[in-house]
Amino acid sequence: GAGVSQSPSNKVTEKGKDVELRCDPISGHTALYWYRQRLGQGLEFLIYFQGNSAPDKSGLPSDRFSAERTGESVSTLTIQRTQQEDSAVYLCASSLVSLGGRTDTQYFGPGTRLTVL
Amino acid sequence: GQNIDQPTEMTATEGAIVQINCTYQTSGFNGLFWYQQHAGEAPTFLSYNVLDGLEEKGRFSSFLSRSKGYSYLLLKELQMKDSASYLCAYRNQGGKLIFGQGTELSVKP
Repeated sequence: GAGVSQSPSNKVTEKGKDVELRCDPISGHTALYWYRQRLGQGLEFLIYFQGNSAPDKSGLPSDRFSAERTGESVSTLTIQRTQQEDSAVYLCASSLVSLGGRTDTQYFGPGTRLTVL
Repeated sequence: GQNIDQPTEMTATEGAIVQINCTYQTSGFNGLFWYQQHAGEAPTFLSYNVLDGLEEKGRFSSFLSRSKGYSYLLLKELQMKDSASYLCAYRNQGGKLIFGQGTELSVKP
């Protein structure tokens, strides 16, 4: 595709419900990243995938958060039993490779704005 | 550590030049990125520095000094559309991008 796409663009849910966020990376990009951005704050790294494996899950805030990627393409970020502090914009990015250098520049999707009531 | 710092907000006048500074401290460094983020939109890539010096790209330039842990983004001939948040990020040796909190730039007529 032309760029990284994410769905839904907005999600409002009730506390305690599970949500699933989707990311479609740029075609051919092997690396995929998830970030969280709270209002007025910087980007917080959550997890990244190289292919279908996740070498670095260190940013996941709790065991309520999980992510998977299949076919070296689409990724889903799942938040179980959502809490109000999970409210944020969840951004996905992809890069050609993750080995360093200019070729691993990350290109971001438009994000999913999650509101937990 | 994973410390990175940039000013929270700046104001400049249309047509002027503005410099946004970024300092970082890390035991492993593998490149410095600048992104632009308009309100409600995704960050877009502006520049990448891995060696010391100045990288120029049109109205935008980025500078890096690895020994000082310092970078700046220079915006020339400011336009109203340059009003946005500018995010500085370094990549550590594990490949992870560590972002600053962003500098909110307001360009006034």
